[in-house]
Amino acid sequence: TQLLEQSPQFLSIQEGENLTVYCNSSSVFSSLQWYRQEPGEGPVLLVTVVTGGEVKKLKRLTFQFGDARKDSSLHITAAQPGDTGLYLCAGNNNDMRFGAGTRLTVKP
Amino acid sequence: DTAVSQTPKYLVTQMGNDKSIKCEQNLGHDTMYWYKQDSKKFLKIMFSYNNKELIINETVPNRFSPKSPDKAHLNLHINSLELGDSAVYFCASSQGGGRGRLGYTFGSGTRLTVV
Repeated sequence: TQLLEQSPQFLSIQEGENLTVYCNSSSVFSSLQWYRQEPGEGPVLLVTVVTGGEVKKLKRLTFQFGDARKDSSLHITAAQPGDTGLYLCAGNNNDMRFGAGTRLTVKP
Repeated sequence: DTAVSQTPKYLVTQMGNDKSIKCEQNLGHDTMYWYKQDSKKFLKIMFSYNNKELIINETVPNRFSPKSPDKAHLNLHINSLELGDSAVYFCASSQGGGRGRLGYTFGSGTRLTVV
């Protein structure tokens, strides 16, 4: 049983579109992180959120931590082909657990 | 400069062999980890280690053993390799308490193929 459920599992969109991916759990986390992984490479940390309701922006990426610290969303505005990759969320409670990821493909 | 480096990048070996994967971090982090990523891209913790404490995921077979010669290195040794051990193995490091509460830095992975 996965502690963190990510949706959708796969997402294919055209360049310029907006998208949102989700990370949900029944557990409360002290922090939650988002990573992007490209083929043949390790995951790269994008952001860490620690406070319920927190919103962080990283250029065209907006991350939100749920008020109850059980879920999070990642919104990408005007997606570009360079955004293509596997987006992983990870929740921390003295132990780090990863979701299975959302595989995003942005077509030019 | 590579922050977390692991070698080799690719490893193809026969069943029953013993192999090691090396990992080094130059970030001065106090905790290192080994993760296994299966064919469905699910990352599963195998070990976390700092100079005081080794935490072993109870589902990891005892054929897998971490070895840390110093704070900057955490190698993974695997005995009697099996077909099901084929996967990508990632080393990672983090700083501070809460076992990575502020995030991990990952290596680029070692793709192990057992034939």
